[in-house]
Amino acid sequence: GQSLEQPSEVTAVEGAIVQINCTYQTSGFYGLSWYQQHDGGAPTFLSYNALDGLEETGRFSSFLSRSDSYGYLLLQELQMKDSASYFCAVRDTGRRALTFGSGTRLQVQP
Amino acid sequence: DTAVSQTPKYLVTQMGNDKSIKCEQNLGHDTMYWYKQDSKKFLKIMFSYNNKELIINETVPNRFSPKSPDKAHLNLHINSLELGDSAVYFCASRSLAGSTDTQYFGPGTRLTVL
Repeated sequence: GQSLEQPSEVTAVEGAIVQINCTYQTSGFYGLSWYQQHDGGAPTFLSYNALDGLEETGRFSSFLSRSDSYGYLLLQELQMKDSASYFCAVRDTGRRALTFGSGTRLQVQP
Repeated sequence: DTAVSQTPKYLVTQMGNDKSIKCEQNLGHDTMYWYKQDSKKFLKIMFSYNNKELIINETVPNRFSPKSPDKAHLNLHINSLELGDSAVYFCASRSLAGSTDTQYFGPGTRLTVL
């Protein structure tokens, strides 16, 4: 089976940088994804890492280390609208569905 | 244009009733899913269909029955609703375009069982 661990809550101020870590255990590995979910909304795709290294998309970057079974989401120049829950998710080589972490609630304060 | 749509958005019903949730995607994807998100925000896979064929059926009570009339639609029927079925149900479809592996979620159906 698969399991993922991420912090339950993170608080930061506007303009700051925050890193949300995710460690995973899986019997196989296909890639690590990140999703954002605002209260009352649907999860929306942010990024995907299949290989080691950093992927950058605007203010958001995602990093993966397959040897450490570890990844993180980096949010820069935080804005109030970034307040949301962030989920890491893995797909292993045997399945076609994602297993999600329990989510990290990010609160951005003025 | 809505990519993944679900109806209804809200569903309030009594224990013991039977209800259905409909999902449609206009993205041309082959794979669709049903996820359940509980009050603690745990998001868990329930079912997955690929080209109308069931490929994942997690440990879900058999009161839940998915149906895929074609690859653009995946409906969820729930019999004999129980209090513990109260949750938000998300439909999703999957793209493997380019180098990403992306799931597109519908807006969710908030089911409340009284």
